[in-house]
Amino acid sequence: EVQLLESGGNLVQPGGSLRLSCAASGFTFRHYAMTWVRQAPGKGLEWVSSISRSGTTTYITDSLKGRLSISRDNAKNTLSLEMSSLRVEDTARYFCVRTGMYFDYWGQGTLVTVSS
Amino acid sequence: SYELTQPPSVSVSPGQTARITCSGDALPKKYVYWYQQKSGQAPVAVIYEDNKRPSGIPERFSGSTSGTMATLIISGAQVDDEADYHCYSVDSSDNEGVFGGGTKLTVL
Repeated sequence: EVQLLESGGNLVQPGGSLRLSCAASGFTFRHYAMTWVRQAPGKGLEWVSSISRSGTTTYITDSLKGRLSISRDNAKNTLSLEMSSLRVEDTARYFCVRTGMYFDYWGQGTLVTVSS
Repeated sequence: SYELTQPPSVSVSPGQTARITCSGDALPKKYVYWYQQKSGQAPVAVIYEDNKRPSGIPERFSGSTSGTMATLIISGAQVDDEADYHCYSVDSSDNEGVFGGGTKLTVL
């Protein structure tokens, strides 16, 4: 059974940093690209970042470039998202998503709250 | 930045056909994907690559495209289909993904 378990979400002050992790199991992690999608409370989905199977190619939404880094460890079946200079508008649930021909498996998300 | 536009809400009676649109300038050249999200749950893909249905998705879900507009069609909508529906595609450079604003489907 495919499982994606996000962690690392927390309450953080504006300007702070956070590292989110996603532990993958139930499939061959290195065979799939991976994506982070976020959803602010009561709002729609927002594509955040994607990473290739090997980790050599990354894509980040323009609005977050310079504040965000995506990486993966295929030996540990782990996807990571490092966020810095956090803003109130970064408050959202962050989903880890397996990316095959489409976003085929989603985690339940981890909640990031940016507030003073 | 690239945008996909969806209507905020669509309402139909049970058994009617629901149509949810998604418009974007790059859609003539880029695939569109549709995700269903029920309250408090993670999204689920219902259509990929414009008109393909993932395994386990009922046949009443279909997709079509014409020019800059894609449409999710739910034939014979059921109360259980009430959810938010989000379209997704990529920009013309393939560097950035984008979701539409989401459409709340009401079936009653």
